[in-house]
Amino acid sequence: NAGVTQTPKFRILKIGQSMTLQCTQDMNHNYMYWYRQDPGMGLKLIYYSVGAGITDKGEVPNGYNVSRSTTEDFPLRLELAAPSQTSVYFCASSYSGLLVDFGPGTRLTVT
Amino acid sequence: QKEVEQDPGPLSVPEGAIVSLNCTYSNSAFQYFMWYRQYSRKGPELLMYTYSSGNKEDGRFTAQVDKSSKYISLFIRDSQPSDSATYLCAMSEEKGAQKLVFGQGTRLTINP
Repeated sequence: NAGVTQTPKFRILKIGQSMTLQCTQDMNHNYMYWYRQDPGMGLKLIYYSVGAGITDKGEVPNGYNVSRSTTEDFPLRLELAAPSQTSVYFCASSYSGLLVDFGPGTRLTVT
Repeated sequence: QKEVEQDPGPLSVPEGAIVSLNCTYSNSAFQYFMWYRQYSRKGPELLMYTYSSGNKEDGRFTAQVDKSSKYISLFIRDSQPSDSATYLCAMSEEKGAQKLVFGQGTRLTINP
C-alpha cells in the first residue's frame, strides 16, 4: 500500500491564483480529511468527508473547496490565493473515523 | 483559553534520558487520546492511542491519561537520537476524527 499520497510536494502561488492540491489513498478508507499546519501551531481541520459524495466543513474552511467523487480521491481547491493560506497542507484518511493516517504534506507559499 | 495546551519546547535531552511530554485540556468530555510523532518535513504518524483513563505501554513508550486532572503524558524511556521529532497530542469526545483537537506540538531533540 502506498497509503496517502499528495501532490505537489511544494508550490509557490501568486496572490489571486488558484490551484488544486491532490490527495489519493489506496486503503479503501471512507473517512478523509484536509488539515493545515502553520509554524508552531497544531493541525487545523479545513474540510472532511465521511464517504464518496459527502463533504463537510471543518474549523477553517474559508477560501477552500473540496469534492469527493470517489473513495480514493479528495482534492482541495484554493480559489483566489491569499498570503494567509501560506501553510503546510496535510491530507489524511481513516478506517475507524478516529485513528488517522496522514500524507506527506504539501508546502504552499503565497506571495 | 485553548482547549488543548501543549508546551512547544524546544526540549533537548541527552541520549538515554527519560523524556516526559505533557498536554493539559479543558474539555472534560474528551475520552479518546492520541500521541502523534512528526519528523521534520513529514506528516504526523500515530504513536499511541488510549481510551479513557489509565496507562498504555508500547516498547519504550508509555502513555498516561489522568482525566481527573485533565492531563495526559507520554514517556519515552532510553531515548534515542531517532526519537528527535515534534510530538503532538490529540484528543476527541467521540469517534470521528473531525472532532480531533490537536495540541501545538512539542519539539524534542535527543543529543548523542
